[in-house]
Amino acid sequence: DAGVTQSPTHLIKTRGQHVTLRCSPISGHKSVSWYQQVLGQGPQFIFQYYEKEERGRGNFPDRFSARQFPNYSSELNVNALLLGDSALYLCASSLRQGLVHEQYFGPGTRLTVT
Amino acid sequence: AQTVTQSQPEMSVQEAETVTLSCTYDTSESDYYLFWYKQPPSRQMILVIRQEAYKQQNATENRFSVNFQKAAKSFSLKISDSQLGDAAMYFCAYRSISNTGNQFYFGTGTSLTVIP
Repeated sequence: DAGVTQSPTHLIKTRGQHVTLRCSPISGHKSVSWYQQVLGQGPQFIFQYYEKEERGRGNFPDRFSARQFPNYSSELNVNALLLGDSALYLCASSLRQGLVHEQYFGPGTRLTVT
Repeated sequence: AQTVTQSQPEMSVQEAETVTLSCTYDTSESDYYLFWYKQPPSRQMILVIRQEAYKQQNATENRFSVNFQKAAKSFSLKISDSQLGDAAMYFCAYRSISNTGNQFYFGTGTSLTVIP
């Protein structure tokens, strides 16, 4: 079975631009979480979606938004990119909300903002 | 908010030897989960081991075991018989059991080098 997949693998954007990152959870998983991992730091929670509804939000500005589709895939959108948005963006899926031992991470999307 | 501290940015160990990675956390909650994740250069985060705070027995997964000291809010990872494939970044993480979401709080990580 395929694991969590993310696209694209790498992305280079210019300040002020908009970016969309995509995540496909493991088949059957209904919960998707997004994390930002700045170089040299641990991942920081951005959003969690379960059954297409936002169930959690971290301390990130409104420039960050996300959504989950009927097939449980998810998009993370970032508007008005800043240099500080350069990071590895990780997606994690789990079977359902609250099952902590079943959170599986994808390989991430490396975003570079110049 | 909960904080997780990993005070060892880098550690090294000889192949086949044992190494212990440290983690402390701050919380006012009485029940929670603690995790160790491994992130190799491929970037994929892999769950190594999990500990429920209400369990007094330390978790063990093959060569990996933890020393969970709830009163001291300490959660160290011991890797026995270290192998070259153990080289990676290791992250300690905390999750509130009362949080209905899946928000994890991660430490800043420890980079483990395994010397042949």
